[in-house]
Amino acid sequence: GAVVSQHPSWVICKSGTSVKIECRSLDFQATTMFWYRQFPKQSLMLMATSNEGSKATYEQGVEKDKFLINHASLTLSTLTVTSAHPEDSSFYICSAGRGVRGSYAEAFFGQGTRLTVV
Amino acid sequence: GIQVEQSPPDLILQEGANSTLRCNFSDSVNNLQWFHQNPWGQLINLFYIPSGTKQNGRLSATTVATERYSLLYISSSQTTDSGVYFCAVEGFGNEKLTFGTGTRLTIIP
Repeated sequence: GAVVSQHPSWVICKSGTSVKIECRSLDFQATTMFWYRQFPKQSLMLMATSNEGSKATYEQGVEKDKFLINHASLTLSTLTVTSAHPEDSSFYICSAGRGVRGSYAEAFFGQGTRLTVV
Repeated sequence: GIQVEQSPPDLILQEGANSTLRCNFSDSVNNLQWFHQNPWGQLINLFYIPSGTKQNGRLSATTVATERYSLLYISSSQTTDSGVYFCAVEGFGNEKLTFGTGTRLTIIP
């Protein structure tokens, strides 16, 4: 299967600071990547769709100014949690699929990033 | 949006037992995948199965798209099968995967 790499795997930061999470597709190009958030013992909730070369599309209720997404190349998307607070502590996971835009195809996921804000 | 429900929510089995996990979805889908989330949070792709039947070792899956459900079968369970199993679907005209509620499987030695 395809490989999606996410970094860092875990991060602890102080309240008020910003944290950047990277998501890379290692062996294929991804015009579209997705960012999910997962709270303990819950399912994955889609936060936003990252589109290469254009603005991200955010799901309802997700603050675009808090969760900045940049998809600067066909193999890299970044999620920056700005001015993090303890309630932003969560497990963040990215995914990418091989399909071209409009045709999603099979999704592959990064290892996830466990963010703890203290 | 599309709703995805999984059952049972929790399942505890003895090693060696067989199990069937179910995924119901509320609308026609273009894509359906099964994942195993291991204790470290990594999502492992099990099946990409918008329709039909597939098998991979002790695991198999069947999706009946016309009746809007999918089943994941695990035979001869091992302790390493423990974790949470998710199905996720993509509706037509929608590039996004919507995840189900998950089934937490615990295999006891």
